[in-house]
Amino acid sequence: KNQVEQSPQSLIILEGKNCTLQCNYTVSPFSNLRWYKQDTGRGPVSLTIMTFSENTKSNGRYTATLDADTKQSSLHITASQLSDSASYICVVSADTGTASKLTFGTGTRLQVTL
Amino acid sequence: GAVVSQHPSWVICKSGTSVKIECRSLDFQATTMFWYRQFPKQSLMLMATSNEGSKATYEQGVEKDKFLINHASLTLSTLTVTSAHPEDSSFYICSARDRRGPNTGELFFGEGSRLTVL
Repeated sequence: KNQVEQSPQSLIILEGKNCTLQCNYTVSPFSNLRWYKQDTGRGPVSLTIMTFSENTKSNGRYTATLDADTKQSSLHITASQLSDSASYICVVSADTGTASKLTFGTGTRLQVTL
Repeated sequence: GAVVSQHPSWVICKSGTSVKIECRSLDFQATTMFWYRQFPKQSLMLMATSNEGSKATYEQGVEKDKFLINHASLTLSTLTVTSAHPEDSSFYICSARDRRGPNTGELFFGEGSRLTVL
C-alpha cells in the first residue's frame, strides 16, 4: 500500500529561525514528489516538484531535498516569517502508465511566532 | 500561474437539500479534474477523478449517487452533494492539470469550498 508519512505532526518556531520538515514515502513506481503549502481554509499551493533524478530544488526561502534511495524528502525553510504559518503537505505521485496516482501525507502544521 | 476557481467558497444548507460546487480552470483547459474532501486537521482525501465528457471515477468508499460529478467542458467540473447530512460537512477542494502537460505535471488547486449542513 502506498503511504506518505510526515514529521513532525506540528511545529512551533520563532520568527527568523530555520526549520526542516520530513517526508518518508513508500510509493511505487515513483514518479515525482511535491511539497504544497496550505493556509488554513485555503487550497494548497505548490512549492516544489521533484523527479527521481533531482536531489535539491529551491523556491525562495524553501529548499526541498529528495533521496530516492532511502525514499525520504525534506523541506527546509530559511529565516521563517509569520506568513509561513501553514500546513505543509508532501504528495508523492505513482506513475501508473496512463495516469498518475497521488498519495497525500497528513501534513506538518507549522506555526511561526514572535 | 494557472488559476483554479471554486464557487461557492462557503455554503450553509439544511439537512436533506442538495448543494452544487463548481470548479473552473480559468486560463487553461483540463481534461481531468480531481475532487477532494478534507476534514479538520486531516489531509486531503481524493474522492473522485472527473473526466471531461465521460463518467467520473470514484475512489473506494465514495458513493457515486451521493456525490454527483459532471465535467461538461474542458474548464468546468461540478460536484453536487445530494441529500446532504451533517456528516457531509467538510472542506471540498478541486484540482486540475493543464491538458497540454504530462500526467506528472503541475497540479493546481482551487481555494476550496466549506460546506456546513445543519
